[in-house]
Amino acid sequence: AQSVAQPEDQVNVAEGNPLTVKCTYSVSGNPYLFWYVQYPNRGLQFLLKYITGDNLVKGSYGFEAEFNKSQTSFHLKKPSALVSDSALYFCAVSLPEGSNDYKLSFGAGTTVTVRA
Amino acid sequence: SAVISQKPSRDICQRGTSLTIQCQVDSQVTMMFWYRQQPGQSLTLIATANQGSEATYESGFVIDKFPISRPNLTFSTLTVSNMSPEDSSIYLCSVLSDSIYEQYFGPGTRLTVT
Repeated sequence: AQSVAQPEDQVNVAEGNPLTVKCTYSVSGNPYLFWYVQYPNRGLQFLLKYITGDNLVKGSYGFEAEFNKSQTSFHLKKPSALVSDSALYFCAVSLPEGSNDYKLSFGAGTTVTVRA
Repeated sequence: SAVISQKPSRDICQRGTSLTIQCQVDSQVTMMFWYRQQPGQSLTLIATANQGSEATYESGFVIDKFPISRPNLTFSTLTVSNMSPEDSSIYLCSVLSDSIYEQYFGPGTRLTVT
């Protein structure tokens, strides 16, 4: 079974400050890891993914995430947050290796509020 | 990325009735998925719908309640049958980009059951 934990329900930062949204995972195997963002009354937008290779992956809107196998974490980061980054962020995992199963398991979500 | 549309975008339905949600994608895809997002909650997978085979349902979801069709590589429907207020949720379809393993989501259908 695969699972994802987002330990913080809410993250509040000031505009211009670094933003970190935490995610840890639990899988038996090599995970595919994803971050999505959901703005109010809109669908999910893909931000970035880790499948293999460099542990630091860069994505849309200036976001990046670092895969840490020893800590089973995949934290989302942005060096300088914008008010427009205020949204709901989801971490997700899939485990297709050997099973061809690409379904996603989502974390509970973290609400990010960036104040001006 | 794929462009995905869903119809209807929202609906208010009476308990005991059924609603069929359509999902259309602008390119051919092998895997499509249906998720449910209950108010203030995360996303839960209902089923995986591959063209040419029956949908695969997750634990807690059954075909009689959530029948799915996948007639071709660009279209799928999800029916929510015999609805109750507990079915009030956002229903989202998604597609898998086979080559880059990214999953893209439609805008969702907001269902309210009264």
